[in-house]
Amino acid sequence: GAGVSQSPSNKVTEKGKDVELRCDPISGHTALYWYRQSLGQGLEFLIYFQGNSAPDKSGLPSDRFSAERTGGSVSTLTIQRTQQEDSAVYLCASSLAGTGGQNIQYFGAGTRLSVL
Amino acid sequence: SQKIEQNSEALNIQEGKTATLTCNYTNYSPAYLQWYRQDPGRGPVFLLLIRENEKEKRKERLKVTFDTTLKQSLFHITASQPADSATYLCALLASGYALNFGKGTSLLVTP
Repeated sequence: GAGVSQSPSNKVTEKGKDVELRCDPISGHTALYWYRQSLGQGLEFLIYFQGNSAPDKSGLPSDRFSAERTGGSVSTLTIQRTQQEDSAVYLCASSLAGTGGQNIQYFGAGTRLSVL
Repeated sequence: SQKIEQNSEALNIQEGKTATLTCNYTNYSPAYLQWYRQDPGRGPVFLLLIRENEKEKRKERLKVTFDTTLKQSLFHITASQPADSATYLCALLASGYALNFGKGTSLLVTP
């Protein structure tokens, strides 16, 4: 597609369950980012992938969170043993360049995760 | 620590007036600053980028200023329209790639 695609758009899960969120970036974009936006809060950086380099996981809040990017394209963010405080909108973005440059990021519509 | 501050109070203005939003930052030495627009239920959309050596940048009804001495950027929308109602976010590079965003300012333009 022309833009960043995220699925599902909404996810309701029970506390303790695992969830997987998917991001399909813009074709040709080498950099991919995951952010989290809680109600009334700004965007919180989670993880960054650039080409074949090791991802920067410095923003992941706990070891229950992990992400992978297969074939330099689609990415999956996995949250294990979900907690209520994980409820938020998870946004994915991609850009043409990672470090330096203008790094204009293109966002998907996000996945709204609700943990009951 | 690095901080980006935007006015948390919503800005309500009348159609046709100029809206001015403020972004202040501390402990950054940014090469550039970006502004994004976010509508409810959507991801942020890039609007403008201004470099440290640029005082002002314009795009249609939008104008951004960047004062690295004051550590402040101002975002103006002239001849505002109800369709401009949204949340506006400023963003700075955290460490070369990830962006740090302010919490955004909500703008409401009433007819």
